[in-house]
Amino acid sequence: EPEVTQTPSHQVTQMGQEVILRCVPISNHLYFYWYRQILGQKVEFLVSFYNNEISEKSEIFDDQFSVERPDGSNFTLKIRSTKLEDSAMYFCASSEASVGGEQFFGPGTRLTVL
Amino acid sequence: AQSVTQLGSHVSVSEGALVLLRCNYSSSVPPYLFWYVQYPNQGLQLLLKYTSAATLVKGINGFEAEFKKSETSFHLTKPSAHMSDAAEYFCAVTPIYNQGGKLIFGQGTELSVKP
Repeated sequence: EPEVTQTPSHQVTQMGQEVILRCVPISNHLYFYWYRQILGQKVEFLVSFYNNEISEKSEIFDDQFSVERPDGSNFTLKIRSTKLEDSAMYFCASSEASVGGEQFFGPGTRLTVL
Repeated sequence: AQSVTQLGSHVSVSEGALVLLRCNYSSSVPPYLFWYVQYPNQGLQLLLKYTSAATLVKGINGFEAEFKKSETSFHLTKPSAHMSDAAEYFCAVTPIYNQGGKLIFGQGTELSVKP
């Protein structure tokens, strides 16, 4: 069964460092998403991506964040200068359709900023 | 702004008992509604979704949910809990006018099942 994969499963970094979180969406999906979940809080939308462009982004997704689909399979989230408050579980998701379509989630990357 | 409220951050039931997890949304126009489940150390998995067809939606693992527009609710039920149902459950919505398809999640409800 096709699945979304994410690497690494756990990333520890120092404040101010750049991190890149990687995702491989399901191969025939066209819509890609990043969400995050701070410990003890709800899952929050960060950004949606379609046709090599950002479709929508939340207020969380400021200039420190960027997304890229560098090739036909990977979808990455970059945080340029990490802050303590960026510590969270980051989930990648993909879907065939946008509105109303099932989003398939990866297992997440736990980011810890020290 | 659209929001989702899940009543009860923690629900505990006995094995074989009814499971009822509550979800209410705030929107004058009914959105698309979803229930996701998260098992420990795994990603979120879709249980079921409502996209303006039948108001009673059946999902995987014996779960179902009923969309009630008058109550702006989409509660999740299962007639008989199993130990393997212990997990975190998230209600989510997508506004129907939203082009990007983002999901707006509730706070989540952790379900415990006692033997």
